[in-house]
Amino acid sequence: GAGVSQSPSNKVTEKGKDVELRCDPISGHTALYWYRQSLGQGLEFLIYFQGNSAPDKSGLPSDRFSAERTGGSVSTLTIQRTQQEDSAVYLCASSPVDSNYEQYFGPGTRLTVT
Amino acid sequence: LAKTTQPISMDSYEGQEVNITCSHNNIATNDYITWYQQFPSQGPRFIIQGYKTKVTNEVASLFIPADRKSSTLSLPRVSLSDTAVYYCLLISGGYNKLIFGAGTRLAVHP
Repeated sequence: GAGVSQSPSNKVTEKGKDVELRCDPISGHTALYWYRQSLGQGLEFLIYFQGNSAPDKSGLPSDRFSAERTGGSVSTLTIQRTQQEDSAVYLCASSPVDSNYEQYFGPGTRLTVT
Repeated sequence: LAKTTQPISMDSYEGQEVNITCSHNNIATNDYITWYQQFPSQGPRFIIQGYKTKVTNEVASLFIPADRKSSTLSLPRVSLSDTAVYYCLLISGGYNKLIFGAGTRLAVHP
């Protein structure tokens, strides 16, 4: 079946602009996660959704970052007033509610802030 | 959260068995040991998970000694396509976010 999809695959933006990154999880997966991976670094947790609610936002690096999920499906990660340090690959993952250890990752969105 | 330690990099050759060991001295009773694989320009992919003793699937085996303070991921007869970064993680039931370390960068040579 279809896996996790993310769009756009690549995004180049100027410093100070806002960007929106989209994630379509696997159908039926109630849990959705956002991570980011800077060049040559490990993955960093950003936020976790269970349904439409976000019980864990502890990884969001600043108040410029926000995320929402509607209809228990699609999620959008928004970064306002982008900075160069926001450049990274943003990865989305989903999992069935009873299998938090096996998360299915999308291909990621590569964000470059110039 | 209990921390894991694994080698930064390993080299192997096609057809060899590769064993990657992960140390987790402070593992908690309800922690499961989980391994993910990440190819360049892709998201991580779940490989295997275990609690104790040995677990085997079509991709790998996971060996966990009785004290659970370490674990070994075993990849049989690696090929060039197994070149990737391998992450060892500890996951507790009900704890949802994955905490990734630096991983082990495995390079398989012809």
